[in-house]
Amino acid sequence: NAGVTQTPKFQVLKTGQSMTLQCAQDMNHNSMYWYRQDPGMGLRLIYYSASEGTTDKGEVPNGYNVSRLNKREFSLRLESAAPSQTSVYFCASSPSTSYNEQFFGPGTRLTVL
Amino acid sequence: AQSVTQLGSHVSVSEGALVLLRCNYSSSVPPYLFWYVQYPNQGLQLLLKYTSAATLVKGINGFEAEFKKSETSFHLTKPSAHMSDAAEYFCAVDPRTGGFKTIFGAGTRLFVKA
Repeated sequence: NAGVTQTPKFQVLKTGQSMTLQCAQDMNHNSMYWYRQDPGMGLRLIYYSASEGTTDKGEVPNGYNVSRLNKREFSLRLESAAPSQTSVYFCASSPSTSYNEQFFGPGTRLTVL
Repeated sequence: AQSVTQLGSHVSVSEGALVLLRCNYSSSVPPYLFWYVQYPNQGLQLLLKYTSAATLVKGINGFEAEFKKSETSFHLTKPSAHMSDAAEYFCAVDPRTGGFKTIFGAGTRLFVKA
């Protein structure tokens, strides 16, 4: 039982490059989330998926797109990376969006030069 | 709008001393509240949660938190700090107003001195 897994763990991009961050969970959770973590700002929600087939914007969606590929997988895409997107990205899942704790992956550290 | 404030971005205590990490929230209805811990280079993991049952909530690793509605607070405490408690701690609030609206505080980094 791996919980929430994320790939890659580290990535360096040049401005304008694109990439996709992958996330998968094996807990049969309905809801999945993407956050970014920046020093002094806590976690900010980028996008979430309340259930398979739905996605919604969070607090900071600009510059990102997501795909809920199936119940297990939720990917985050940067179409044209910018230095402001340098951050640590966390994927999380929970049984539902209501009143549940979230289970977090180990994170992806992204640097955009 | 709901918000969560963690007082003090850094807290330093001596090993064996009391740990007190402060969290205040604003919400139109009594929310659900969470404390998460993040060890270096890891994701967050749940320490404890308040879901409108007992106001004093016990969590893992000897931590507990008390929900005080009159003070809109949910402070995290541990009677005796261990070196292994050094980590970043996040308070989070779910305002229970429909949809997904959980928000996280900015975090408090706990340092434990030998």
